[in-house]
Amino acid sequence: EPEVTQTPSHQVTQMGQEVILRCVPISNHLYFYWYRQILGQKVEFLVSFYNNEISEKSEIFDDQFSVERPDGSNFTLKIRSTKLEDSAMYFCASITAWTGELFFGEGSRLTVL
Amino acid sequence: SQQGEEDPQALSIQEGENATMNCSYKTSINNLQWYRQNSGRGLVHLILIRSNEREKHSGRLRVTLDTSKKSSSLLITASRAADTASYFCATSNDYKLSFGAGTTVTVRA
Repeated sequence: EPEVTQTPSHQVTQMGQEVILRCVPISNHLYFYWYRQILGQKVEFLVSFYNNEISEKSEIFDDQFSVERPDGSNFTLKIRSTKLEDSAMYFCASITAWTGELFFGEGSRLTVL
Repeated sequence: SQQGEEDPQALSIQEGENATMNCSYKTSINNLQWYRQNSGRGLVHLILIRSNEREKHSGRLRVTLDTSKKSSSLLITASRAADTASYFCATSNDYKLSFGAGTTVTVRA
């Protein structure tokens, strides 16, 4: 069964460092998402991406964040200068049409020290 | 915000019992979805109900949707220990899904 894959599964970084989280969405999906979940809290929308551009972004997704689809398969989330409060699980998801079900990856746990 | 809010926050039941959790939301939606999350894992889609549907079944899951009250419920019948997880409702509109805080369900053997 096709699945969304994310790497790394866990990354530890120092405050102020840049981090890139990678995702390979399901191949025939057209919409891509990043969500964040701080430990024990709700799943928060960060950004949606369609047709090589951002469709929508939340207020969390400030200038420190960027997304890119550098080739036909990878979808990346970059945090330019990490803060302690960026520590969270980051989930990538993809979907065939925006009114359907989301397929989530297993997440990348980011720990900022 | 259109995101759903689940109730209760936590639920503990005996294996074999039914678990019911509710979701309320604030704005109009295209559809409402329920997801499950096992501890430390990704979210798994359970069921989707469209705004023009009132009830939907999938195996031991039953979902209802009342758009006039802006609420939905998820019923898990004959619960099993493997149903222990967090359950989230998510509302679909504006090119994104917005999730609630979830209900943590613990099924005791």
